[in-house]
Amino acid sequence: EAAVTQSPRSKVAVTGGKVTLSCHQTNNHDYMYWYRQDTGHGLRLIHYSYVADSTEKGDIPDGYKASRPSQENFSLILELASLSQTAVYFCASSDWDWGSQNTLYFGAGTRLSVL
Amino acid sequence: GDSVTQTEGQVALSEEDFLTIHCNYSASGYPTLFWYVQYPGEGPQLLFRASRDKEKGSSRGFEATYDKGTTSFHLRKASVQESDSAVYYCALSDPNTGYQNFYFGKGTSLTVIP
Repeated sequence: EAAVTQSPRSKVAVTGGKVTLSCHQTNNHDYMYWYRQDTGHGLRLIHYSYVADSTEKGDIPDGYKASRPSQENFSLILELASLSQTAVYFCASSDWDWGSQNTLYFGAGTRLSVL
Repeated sequence: GDSVTQTEGQVALSEEDFLTIHCNYSASGYPTLFWYVQYPGEGPQLLFRASRDKEKGSSRGFEATYDKGTTSFHLRKASVQESDSAVYYCALSDPNTGYQNFYFGKGTSLTVIP
């Protein structure tokens, strides 16, 4: 069974502080993603990566950095947390091949509150 | 660019009611279409997918048919149960983008009243 594990599951941060969200997958997938979930906006892509030591910007990358030190691990970093970054964050992984039916496997999410 | 539009907001039904959540997409070629379901406190999980015109996806009594002519992939269930209460996302992946990316609708929150 595919497994994506996120930590922490919830976090309270102060405005201006640094926050790191971690993600670990045991699926042996090349692709990993960070999504943000907000009411009324659904799931929005922040950053993704298709290989270790490389990350790409998604649709809403401003205020976020990402790090992929290995195939299994992918972190999301908020250098200066702001109130507007209060949300639920999901990590996901997938494999990809031309013509194949790819599927995203999500972690359980991290609920971040910035005060 | 690619996009997905689905029934937005909240839908409330009584048990045994018929469910339809509309999903329309915009993409070139033949994207793969998905329905994901998210239960409270969990991440989204795949309900089913389809990748060819007229292909029907189904799972747990839910079904949707890929219709390229109307660019639609509407989710239906004949008789909903309280346990179906969740948020449902329509999504697509488009191999023509050259990398793997997924486009999600904004989600539909279903509440089934016993």
